[in-house]
Amino acid sequence: GAGVSQSPSNKVTEKGKDVELRCDPISGHTALYWYRQSLGQGLEFLIYFQGNSAPDKSGLPSDRFSAERTGGSVSTLTIQRTQQEDSAVYLCASSLTPGAGGGDTQYFGPGTRLTVL
Amino acid sequence: GNSVTQMEGPVTLSEEAFLTINCTYTATGYPSLFWYVQYPGEGLQLLLKATKADDKGSNKGFEATYRKETTSFHLEKGSVQVSDSAVYFCALRPAAGNKLTFGGGTRVLVKP
Repeated sequence: GAGVSQSPSNKVTEKGKDVELRCDPISGHTALYWYRQSLGQGLEFLIYFQGNSAPDKSGLPSDRFSAERTGGSVSTLTIQRTQQEDSAVYLCASSLTPGAGGGDTQYFGPGTRLTVL
Repeated sequence: GNSVTQMEGPVTLSEEAFLTINCTYTATGYPSLFWYVQYPGEGLQLLLKATKADDKGSNKGFEATYRKETTSFHLEKGSVQVSDSAVYFCALRPAAGNKLTFGGGTRVLVKP
């Protein structure tokens, strides 16, 4: 596809369950980012991948949150033992290699709305 | 650390009115600056950007000028339309680093 895609678009889960959120970046984009958007905290950075490695994980709020990227493409964000405060829209973005021409622009997917009951 | 401050909304305007959304930032060096827009029910879209001082970004009738001396990147549009109703986010990417830091967003409602 032409843009960043995310699945599922909506996820409702019970407190204490694990969830996996998927991001498929724009083809050829080496950098991938996860953010979350919540009413109380606005838009917050979670983690950045360059290829398959994550040089910046500084935004992950706790050790219940983890992410991986395989094949330099698809990424999965996993939240273990979900809590109600994890309810938010989780956004994925991708870009060309930072520092390269056009690499400063991040393109966002539609997001996954997570609701923890 | 880096931060972005933008005016709180909601901003309610009549069609064809002039729109300004103020944005100021705190960062070391020369960050890149962005305005993203989120239309109702849609994802974040890049509206415009500027990567160095005195650059002007423009798109869809919107403009913003990177002012290093005032650390600002105010968004303007001379004549808004109902279709401009959305939430607007100012953001920066530091000179050294890749993550975006966003302002809190400004909701704009344009009435016919």
